[in-house]
Amino acid sequence: KAGVTQTPRYLIKTRGQQVTLSCSPISGHRSVSWYQQTPGQGLQFLFEYFSETQRNKGNFPGRFSGRQFSNSRSEMNVSTLELGDSALYLCASSLAPSGMRQETQYFGPGTRLLVL
Amino acid sequence: SQQGEEDPQALSIQEGENATMNCSYKTSINNLQWYRQNSGRGLVHLILIRSNEREKHSGRLRVTLDTSKKSSSLLITASRAADTASYFCATGAYSGAGSYQLTFGKGTKLSVIP
Repeated sequence: KAGVTQTPRYLIKTRGQQVTLSCSPISGHRSVSWYQQTPGQGLQFLFEYFSETQRNKGNFPGRFSGRQFSNSRSEMNVSTLELGDSALYLCASSLAPSGMRQETQYFGPGTRLLVL
Repeated sequence: SQQGEEDPQALSIQEGENATMNCSYKTSINNLQWYRQNSGRGLVHLILIRSNEREKHSGRLRVTLDTSKKSSSLLITASRAADTASYFCATGAYSGAGSYQLTFGKGTKLSVIP
């Protein structure tokens, strides 16, 4: 079974631009979560989607948004990029919303975003 | 915000030795998980221990959980060079309106010297 895939793997943008990252979960997994990882703040939860609905949201500004499609694939968008948005963005999938059966999350390789 | 705090931040050992990493957290949890990350890549799930469990084993891994002290430890026995990675504890808990969230610590960087 293929793992979680994320595209693109690397991205360079300039301040003020916007970016869209994509995540394809493991086949059959319906829940997708997004995390931001930086050296200073570590891994921080962005949001979780299940059945095209946002189930949970972390403490990030409205510039960060996401969506999930009917095939469970998810995208996250960051508008008006700032230098501090440079990070590794990780996507994780699980069979069910993690609150229902405390399912393990399976992570993709991440998208490394550099904002200049 | 970080829930789990790993200790030590970095650990360097010789191949064959045991490695112990600790995690402390502040609020009530439903489970605690340990993940491994190699060189800024994706995280790999290692083990999950529920709040009503005290110890769990998986291969060379042994995890303990002490909910009264709000702490957990991960022991890797007979370490190998391939164990070199960052190890994160993540606490799973319900937060408001029944939603569930996994919160990660900042990790322990383990170096196993051949």
